[in-house]
Amino acid sequence: QKEVEQNSGPLSVPEGAIASLNCTYSDRGSQSFFWYRQYSGKSPELIMSIYSNGDKEDGRFTAQLNKASQYVSLLIRDSQPSDSATYLCAVNKGTGGFKTIFGAGTRLFVKA
Amino acid sequence: GAVVSQHPSRVICKSGTSVKIECRSLDFQATTMFWYRQFPKQSLMLMATSNEGSKATYEQGVEKDKFLINHASLTLSTLTVTSAHPEDSSFYICSAREGGVLNIQYFGAGTRLSVL
Repeated sequence: QKEVEQNSGPLSVPEGAIASLNCTYSDRGSQSFFWYRQYSGKSPELIMSIYSNGDKEDGRFTAQLNKASQYVSLLIRDSQPSDSATYLCAVNKGTGGFKTIFGAGTRLFVKA
Repeated sequence: GAVVSQHPSRVICKSGTSVKIECRSLDFQATTMFWYRQFPKQSLMLMATSNEGSKATYEQGVEKDKFLINHASLTLSTLTVTSAHPEDSSFYICSAREGGVLNIQYFGAGTRLSVL
């Protein structure tokens, strides 16, 4: 089992729809969770961080964390073609949080 | 968010030459920086963890004598690809971790290395 698992996709949604990206992690002691967006040929860019169970909203993005289920998700409302990218889930492993484990990423394609 | 500067953004070099890539945290001190490599359409691969004032920790399968890492200050880490060969052509990305409770990693823009 990978430490951080994501569906590789591609996930294809029409413009204006909600895109839902999911991630599971194996270390129950993990405390910090992140979503990065990576456009083709570019480096990852941090878009959301979450530390507590529940939802965290920032503009069109909502991160959801469920530590009991070891599950973190990212919702993108009103998806735009410019949201087409690979989304990386990252988890700071363990209570010390010193090692960040990245998922392999989910490719999102928003159709105009 | 915090800013991490990486340069050069692109390097084209002849086989056998060495290439140095710099990574700087511009508005925070980073005791830990990371170096990744990414081949086209593949995942990020962690090469090494760079700690200020000490030797870097390399991931399994990464040759430490080929990929020299120096983290001489809290804001600068360098990666030198020694005697580069065409198979070293890749996208190299550094990141710096902002400390405290959050431990967020911020990425540089990456360096695309092409070895002829």
